[in-house]
Amino acid sequence: DTAVSQTPKYLVTQMGNDKSIKCEQNLGHDTMYWYKQDSKKFLKIMFSYNNKELIINETVPNRFSPKSPDKAHLNLHINSLELGDSAVYFCASSQVGIGRPNEQFFGPGTRLTVL
Amino acid sequence: GDSVTQMEGPVTLSEEAFLTINCTYTATGYPSLFWYVQYPGEGLQLLLKATKADDKGSNKGFEATYRKETTSFHLEKGSVQVSDSAVYFCALSDRGSQGNLIFGKGTKLSVKP
Repeated sequence: DTAVSQTPKYLVTQMGNDKSIKCEQNLGHDTMYWYKQDSKKFLKIMFSYNNKELIINETVPNRFSPKSPDKAHLNLHINSLELGDSAVYFCASSQVGIGRPNEQFFGPGTRLTVL
Repeated sequence: GDSVTQMEGPVTLSEEAFLTINCTYTATGYPSLFWYVQYPGEGLQLLLKATKADDKGSNKGFEATYRKETTSFHLEKGSVQVSDSAVYFCALSDRGSQGNLIFGKGTKLSVKP
């Protein structure tokens, strides 16, 4: 059983297109996240979301938008793709609570290449 | 804001060598600390964690101790194997809204037979 899954694993597309990456977790967690990993392996939070609150990293362009149809899914929509969007995108989930260490579980990643 | 600094890589070791990867942090309050590992072509896996000062996290022969006085969480392993070759990330969880993870830049470890 895969705890956090993402599709697709690879995504190659042209500049200007709109694309989506799907994420699902079967851990019953209440919070999900999207991270971007650049070519130097640097990981940066893009969004965190639970059923009460969406927190957006202020550096993320508004071309990126998370959509959560239900607690187990957090999809990432990207409009008007640019060359600089090429990266690996990771979804993660956790059960957040006061005093909890916030151990996050990561998906396998989606490698996005914009041509 | 909170931040994590870890030693620059890459680190290249021979099999059975001793490994240390340094990690220091800056945070308000009392964060939880983590080491994650990313094997080639895969996602991140939690390696170990510590939630309060003097806690020692350990897993698969790796250890790290939460040192509040030096704000450090160095990763150590007594005898590395080729299969330990990966990128290692130190991270802290701020205990604010939704406890986002803040990662260091990662240290690539290559172990040669």
